Amino acid sequence: AQSVTQLDSQVPVFEEAPVELRCNYSSSVSVYLFWYVQYPNQGLQLLLKYLSGSTLVKGINGFEAEFNKSQTSFHLRKPSVHISDTAEYFCAVRGGATNKLIFGTGTLLAVQP
Amino acid sequence: DARVTQTPRHKVTEMGQEVTMRCQPILGHNTVFWYRQTMMQGLELLAYFRNRAPLDDSGMPKDRFSAEMPDATLATLKIQPSEPRDSAVYFCASGTGTEHEKLFFGSGTQLSVL
Repeated sequence: AQSVTQLDSQVPVFEEAPVELRCNYSSSVSVYLFWYVQYPNQGLQLLLKYLSGSTLVKGINGFEAEFNKSQTSFHLRKPSVHISDTAEYFCAVRGGATNKLIFGTGTLLAVQP
Repeated sequence: DARVTQTPRHKVTEMGQEVTMRCQPILGHNTVFWYRQTMMQGLELLAYFRNRAPLDDSGMPKDRFSAEMPDATLATLKIQPSEPRDSAVYFCASGTGTEHEKLFFGSGTQLSVL
C-alpha cells in the first residue's frame, strides 16, 4: 500500500524568503505524485503533479517540486514566498491496485511579514 | 467556471440524528471521492466512485455511514445515527477518471454533532 509522510506540520518563513516543504512516499509500484494547497475555509486545489519524465515539475503560483526516486521524495519549493502563500499544503500519492489518492497530513506554511 | 457543489456548507445536529450531505460533481466527470478532514487525522478517504459504482469504501465505517450515487449528477453521504466523533469537514471531489487526474474539490460541509 502507498503512504505519504510530511514530517513538518508547520513551517514559518519570512516574506520573500525561499521555502521547502518536505514529502516522502512509500510504494512498491510506480505512482503519481501531487501537491495540493488548501486556503482557509476552502477545498483543495492542485498545485502540480508528477507523472513521468522530467523530475522537476513546475506548478502554479511559482511553486515547483522535484521527484527523487532514490530518496522516495517529492519536496515542494518556492524561491520567494508571499504573504498570500500562507495555506496548508498536502502531498499526495496515487497508484497501484486500488488507485486511491492518499494524502499526507499536511504542512501549514505560515508566511510572516 | 465549473465547480463541485456541496450542500449544506454547515450542519449542526444532535447525536443520533441522520445527516445527509450532497455533492454535485462537475458535469462530465466520472470519478467522485468523499474525504473527511479533522485536525487529528488529516484527510481520510471515505469512499471512491467511478461511473457511479463504488470502487473503494474501505475507509468508511459501515455500521453508520453510507455513500451512493443515485445518478451522475448527485453523490450523497449519509450518517445514521450521527455521533460527536463524526464532527469534521467532509469534502467531495470529482475527476475525469484517469489515474493522474486533477481532482476538483468542493468547499466542504462542516458538520458539528452535539
